[in-house]
Amino acid sequence: GQSLEQPSEVTAVEGAIVQINCTYQTSGFYGLSWYQQHDGGAPTFLSYNALDGLEETGRFSSFLSRSDSYGYLLLQELQMKDSASYFCAVRGFSGSARQLTFGSGTQLTVLP
Amino acid sequence: NAGVMQNPRHLVRRRGQEARLRCSPMKGHSHVYWYRQLPEEGLKFMVYLQKENIIDESGMPKERFSAEFPKEGPSILRIQQVVRGDSAAYFCASSPPGTSGYQETQYFGPGTRLLVL
Repeated sequence: GQSLEQPSEVTAVEGAIVQINCTYQTSGFYGLSWYQQHDGGAPTFLSYNALDGLEETGRFSSFLSRSDSYGYLLLQELQMKDSASYFCAVRGFSGSARQLTFGSGTQLTVLP
Repeated sequence: NAGVMQNPRHLVRRRGQEARLRCSPMKGHSHVYWYRQLPEEGLKFMVYLQKENIIDESGMPKERFSAEFPKEGPSILRIQQVVRGDSAAYFCASSPPGTSGYQETQYFGPGTRLLVL
């Protein structure tokens, strides 16, 4: 089976940096994805790591360590609009290997 | 290029009725996925389809739920004899052909919120 652990809530102020961690257990592993979801909205793809290291896309960066089964999403220069839920998701070897298994999500609240 | 489209956005049904949820993938995409999300939870995979084929239905409940992706038209997720526990948000995602599983990015639609009274 596959399971992911991420904190349920994180609070930070505008302009700050926040890191959302994700640890996973999976039978086989292809990669770790991150999605953002605003209340009532669609999950929006943010990043994907298949190899160890840091991927940077603007204010958002994502890191993966395959040996530690661990990754994180780093959000810099926080803005109010970043308040949302953030989900890590893995694709493993189960089923067709195309299904994503999601964590329960981290609710990020950005305060003024 | 329009994104993934789902309709209806909100659907109210009484117990025992049928619910039909529709999904039109992004233009050029041939892989369709359905996920279910309960409040305060992550998305749970239900089924993966390509045109006219169900590839992986390992997340689909064995009874009352079915899915199709016909040669023409949208993908349909059908729930028969709905119960209150079926109340959830149902999201469709699509991805383009020709990508291997590990490279693929799935793009999600806005979801259908099903409420069973």
